Amino acid sequence: NAGVTQTPKFQVLKTGQSMTLQCAQDMNHNSMYWYRQDPGMGLRLIYYSASEGTTDKGEVPNGYNVSRLNKREFSLRLESAAPSQTSVYFCASSLMNVNQPQHFGDGTRLSIL
Amino acid sequence: GIQVEQSPPDLILQEGANSTLRCNFSDSVNNLQWFHQNPWGQLINLFYIPSGTKQNGRLSATTVATERYSLLYISSSQTTDSGVYFCAVEQNAGGTSYGKLTFGQGTILTVHP
Repeated sequence: NAGVTQTPKFQVLKTGQSMTLQCAQDMNHNSMYWYRQDPGMGLRLIYYSASEGTTDKGEVPNGYNVSRLNKREFSLRLESAAPSQTSVYFCASSLMNVNQPQHFGDGTRLSIL
Repeated sequence: GIQVEQSPPDLILQEGANSTLRCNFSDSVNNLQWFHQNPWGQLINLFYIPSGTKQNGRLSATTVATERYSLLYISSSQTTDSGVYFCAVEQNAGGTSYGKLTFGQGTILTVHP
């Protein structure tokens, strides 16, 4: 049982390059989330998808786009990467509205030079 | 938005000691979760506890929603308990819970053998 799988685990980009982070879950969860974690800080919500076919902004959406490809997959795209987007990115999933915890992937460490 | 404050920011223990971590939040919540981030960066969900008390082995948690705080108790600590403990909440906007979590800054726990 893989849970939440994120790819890639590490990536280095140059300023201005584009990149898509992939996330897939095999727990039949309806809700999926993207967070970023900066050094010494808690996680901040970028975007979420309450159910297949819907997406909405979180606390820090600027510079990002998302796609809920199907129930399993939720991708995060950086169209023109900036050094301020250097961070560790986490994807999570849960069953919404049934009082269930969020389950996290292992993260993608992204550096933008 | 809702504010989440965790204390203490750092905690150093000897193996076998007990500890209490606190999470204060500034508004009513319909979702509260505790997470452990291990030294490899993985986030593990410990409790989903918007109110009441739960126990899981050496760990237990209590949330007093009316007074806007939650406590995480760790008994007989072990070196494997080391890492960062995060409290995360979703503000109760009077409608559906979407799992839009706001994280605290975390408590860094170090357990020495």
